[in-house]
Amino acid sequence: DIQMTQSPSSLSASVGDRVTITCRASQSINAWLVWYQQKPGKAPKLLISKASRLESGVPSRFSGSGFGTEFTLTISSLQPDDFATYYCQQYSRYSTFGQGTKLDIK
Amino acid sequence: EVQLLESGGALVQPGGSLRLSCAASGFIFSNSAMSWVRQAPGKGLEWVSTITYSGSGTYYADSVKGRFTISRDNSKNTLYLQMNSLRAEDTAGYYCAQSRVESSGWYYFDSWGQGTLVTVSS
Repeated sequence: DIQMTQSPSSLSASVGDRVTITCRASQSINAWLVWYQQKPGKAPKLLISKASRLESGVPSRFSGSGFGTEFTLTISSLQPDDFATYYCQQYSRYSTFGQGTKLDIK
Repeated sequence: EVQLLESGGALVQPGGSLRLSCAASGFIFSNSAMSWVRQAPGKGLEWVSTITYSGSGTYYADSVKGRFTISRDNSKNTLYLQMNSLRAEDTAGYYCAQSRVESSGWYYFDSWGQGTLVTVSS
């Protein structure tokens, strides 16, 4: 099974900060990685697919990068609406999620 | 607009059974793979099962294989999850999700319902 490890598990930041979340795969997954945002009591929302492809309607302050085993989600300038939990998921073989990164207000 | 509405969640005893449903609208259901993803209270996301657009292919996480069955009725735009031999560790919110496939051959989750809660407890 492919294991996904996110870091950090939690992160405190301020509006306007640049934030980076990392996701590592236990083996190469090429670019078969997505990022989701989840707010409390809500369903996850797809942000980025194929490691760096921004989904329609997602603000351009979100970006993704990486290939192989290491990936990053970057928010260039945090907005109040961005405080949430973020998950990565590989879809190279079956489907595995990272454990999540909770982003809260400092 | 894609809408997915799950139903069927309940409190059930260990060893019991439950069937979840997901009513879909706003897209061509028969053209889309569909999946179930669950989330235990306060925990992360776990893929449970995926079914191809026609229903000819079904896939399961090891944790539910042999106990859960995914199916669909394209004439009713409805996805199902039959859950048997339920365990305490199956307690979770269950989401249905429209699923997208790329050349990797595997799926990710494009649009999600709001979820239905399954509690397994005596």
